[in-house]
Amino acid sequence: DGGITQSPKYLFRKEGQNVTLSCEQNLNHDAMYWYRQDPGQGLRLIYYSQIVNDFQKGDIAEGYSVSREKKESFPLTVTSAQKNPTAFYLCASSKDRVGGNTIYFGEGSWLTVV
Amino acid sequence: SQKIEQNSEALNIQEGKTATLTCNYTNYSPAYLQWYRQDPGRGPVFLLLIRENEKEKRKERLKVTFDTTLKQSLFHITASQPADSATYLCALSYNNNDMRFGAGTRLTVKP
Repeated sequence: DGGITQSPKYLFRKEGQNVTLSCEQNLNHDAMYWYRQDPGQGLRLIYYSQIVNDFQKGDIAEGYSVSREKKESFPLTVTSAQKNPTAFYLCASSKDRVGGNTIYFGEGSWLTVV
Repeated sequence: SQKIEQNSEALNIQEGKTATLTCNYTNYSPAYLQWYRQDPGRGPVFLLLIRENEKEKRKERLKVTFDTTLKQSLFHITASQPADSATYLCALSYNNNDMRFGAGTRLTVKP
């Protein structure tokens, strides 16, 4: 099946640790995104990538890092610099960044700080 | 900066009635407006897209309107069913597909 696979579904982070969320897509999409979702708030864009080896900061990039070494993969690292990382994280992709393209989402990953 | 407001956090209606959800925005009108459905603990799923030069779009029991004068989109679900219970997100995008999401409205359809 074509789609976006995120892993793990649930992740716990200790204070001071970096953790990495995996995102893989087999839709042959050029553009990929990471969003954060908190209760009562809209999705907020962390990073996006329009093409391999290129990525741009979104609205809330501080404390996060990404890489795009392969078209299919766009992992997100939540670093210890992110002071409030507990949230629902969504990876997404679209054919490209041309306006009007549908964004396809993965099933999300829950990150909790313990 | 652009603000997106969805009418309320929660909307409860009776099965068979029409659900109407509102999405209001400030500032400049988007080139595209999309509606997504999100079930608890899942990723959003695309439902409908409407362009700024379109007034109305339909898909089965769903209808979306777009009024750039009022800066508002309405999302209707006719003959609602309990299975329609979910959170519905509106999203605005411009020609670079920079998409902005509203916080969503949680719809509950009671049998």
